[in-house]
Amino acid sequence: GESVGLHLPTLSVQEGDNSIINCAYSNSASDYFIWYKQESGKGPQFIIDIRSNMDKRQGQRVTVLLNKTVKHLSLQIAATQPGDSAVYFCAENAGGTSYGKLTFGQGTILTVHP
Amino acid sequence: EAGVTQFPSHSVIEKGQTVTLRCDPISGHDNLYWYRRVMGKEIKFLLHFVKESKQDESGMPNNRFLAERTGGTYSTLKVQPAELEDSGVYFCASSQAVLPTGPYEQYFGPGTRLTVT
Repeated sequence: GESVGLHLPTLSVQEGDNSIINCAYSNSASDYFIWYKQESGKGPQFIIDIRSNMDKRQGQRVTVLLNKTVKHLSLQIAATQPGDSAVYFCAENAGGTSYGKLTFGQGTILTVHP
Repeated sequence: EAGVTQFPSHSVIEKGQTVTLRCDPISGHDNLYWYRRVMGKEIKFLLHFVKESKQDESGMPNNRFLAERTGGTYSTLKVQPAELEDSGVYFCASSQAVLPTGPYEQYFGPGTRLTVT
């Protein structure tokens, strides 16, 4: 069945470093991908999204890369700050009749050390 | 603008009891979603409302779960009777009307932590 998973469950970085969080997906029909950040006691917060007709999209300090050939998604955070410490989830959507359904990965815990 | 709100934030009930969770979406959002995360698992989709209609309920685990959205505003998710495996965090999300090329950005609420003992 379709699934979205993460290569690395935990990631520790020093403040100021760049962080890269990876995600693999298995549903080749997926056409929309999102990265969410979840802090303790809060719901997932939207970071950035990308459609399958793109391979890169940039936001403020974040970049999402999509490689459809190998079904891989990554989130790059530039100059990581302690406030970036959280659990990061990738999610995908395959459209069609389930256009509202997001399939989430397990999450990567990012810890930023000052 | 107020975000998605959920009530209660925590609920502890005994096996066999009934619990009703409530979600108030962002004003004007036609689309409302329920997800849950049980211990050690990923966040899983439960169902999707468009206004008051169920667009997709493929993720509902069994008939002990009943979701409603009368009037197309707030939604409730009832679990009756609750079982131990229902423990987890239940998230609600909402989004604007979906266009053919529009974003599907879903805004999540803080979740309701349900503990069944």
